[in-house]
Amino acid sequence: EVQLLESGGGLVQPGGSLRLSCAASGFSFSSYGMSWVRQAPGKGLEWVSVISGSGTGTYYADSVKGRFTISRDNSKNTLYLQMNSLRDEDTAVYYCARDGDVPGPPFDYWGQGTLVTVSS
Amino acid sequence: EIVLTQSPGTLSLSPGERATLSCRASQSVTSTYLAWYQQKPGQSPRLLIYGASSRATGIPDRFSGSGSGTDFTLTISRLEPEDFAVYYCQQSGSSLYTFGQGTKLEIK
Repeated sequence: EVQLLESGGGLVQPGGSLRLSCAASGFSFSSYGMSWVRQAPGKGLEWVSVISGSGTGTYYADSVKGRFTISRDNSKNTLYLQMNSLRDEDTAVYYCARDGDVPGPPFDYWGQGTLVTVSS
Repeated sequence: EIVLTQSPGTLSLSPGERATLSCRASQSVTSTYLAWYQQKPGQSPRLLIYGASSRATGIPDRFSGSGSGTDFTLTISRLEPEDFAVYYCQQSGSSLYTFGQGTKLEIK
């Protein structure tokens, strides 16, 4: 069974940093691209970043480029999101999601999310 | 960046009725790269449709997707009580993935 478990969320002051983790199990982690998607309270979904299975390819939404860094440790089956220079508008539930093994690819599995609150 | 615009923002229907949700792209999207998701309150999104028209594993056949180019549609043939939720379209055709703003399907 595919499982994705995010952790690392919490309260942080504007300008601060936080690192999110997503522990994956139930599939060959290194064979799949992985993404982070966020959802501000009461708002819609916003894609944040994607990383290839090998970790060599990364892309970011313009809203986080230069502040967030996606990475992965395939030996630990874990995805990361390093978030620096956090702003109020980064407050959201952050989901990790697997890029599916069908053309697209769509996000076929999602974690339960971890809440990041940026506030003084 | 490809902008996806969903309509209507809110759709009020009764169980048993047919629902038609629209997703319009600011530029052409290859059908392969268009997906639909369902999200219920307090839950993570769930993949419904990929490749514009293929149902994901375990998705009932009352859900169907269609469209091409800039206009895509999600249809729910006969609404069940559990179908009332928010629906999002999403494209992965460019290096900047994007979601539509969502359509809330509510019970009339």
